[in-house]
Amino acid sequence: QQQVRQSSQSLTVWEGETAILNCSYENSAFDYFPWYQQFPGEGPALLIAIRSVSDKKEDGRFTIFFNKREKNLSLHIKDSQPGDSATYFCAASPYTGNYKYVFGAGTRLKVIA
Amino acid sequence: GPKVLQIPSHQIIDMGQMVTLNCDPVSNHLYFYWYKQILGQQMEFLVNFYNGKVMEKSKLFKDQFSVERPDGSYFTLKIQPTALEDSAVYFCASSPGQNTEVFFGKGTRLTVV
Repeated sequence: QQQVRQSSQSLTVWEGETAILNCSYENSAFDYFPWYQQFPGEGPALLIAIRSVSDKKEDGRFTIFFNKREKNLSLHIKDSQPGDSATYFCAASPYTGNYKYVFGAGTRLKVIA
Repeated sequence: GPKVLQIPSHQIIDMGQMVTLNCDPVSNHLYFYWYKQILGQQMEFLVNFYNGKVMEKSKLFKDQFSVERPDGSYFTLKIQPTALEDSAVYFCASSPGQNTEVFFGKGTRLTVV
């Protein structure tokens, strides 16, 4: 049973476009949703996160849109740069136990110059 | 930013042998975790560790697995004996407290032959 699902294994966009990465989840108890960015040969690094009390979280070029009723969220990367090319993991956990993340399988983003 | 170091980056071991994966967590962090990622799949929670004890483990954390952090040194994952299905990338992570950012290492790729 895949509790966190990322709709695309891979995504290619042109430099300057907005990349949209989608994620959905099944467990209503999930309350905290971090997105992790991973470059080849590196460990995942926290990019941006949202709690279910919010419907939007913005940090520079990165924005999470969250729909609690539909149990889905998306990561928007504005003005995509080649340096954004990486694998992005959506994760979820109950906030009080954030150590036990459930990860999606990841979306490999490629930004073409 | 804070670094979690994992040693070695790649280890090859004969089936049935014992292996110890080492993790040097961020100093002053108190919570430690192991995640397992089989090639092409999502990262899955194995175990978390606090104050010298396992707090929670998943069903992937088989009886052959054990963790410890003797005297504040490396946080280790030991597998004894290893099986072919233990081949995966193992990510160590740490956090300063609960409900705080979790920092991941680069992973150790374990190949059981």
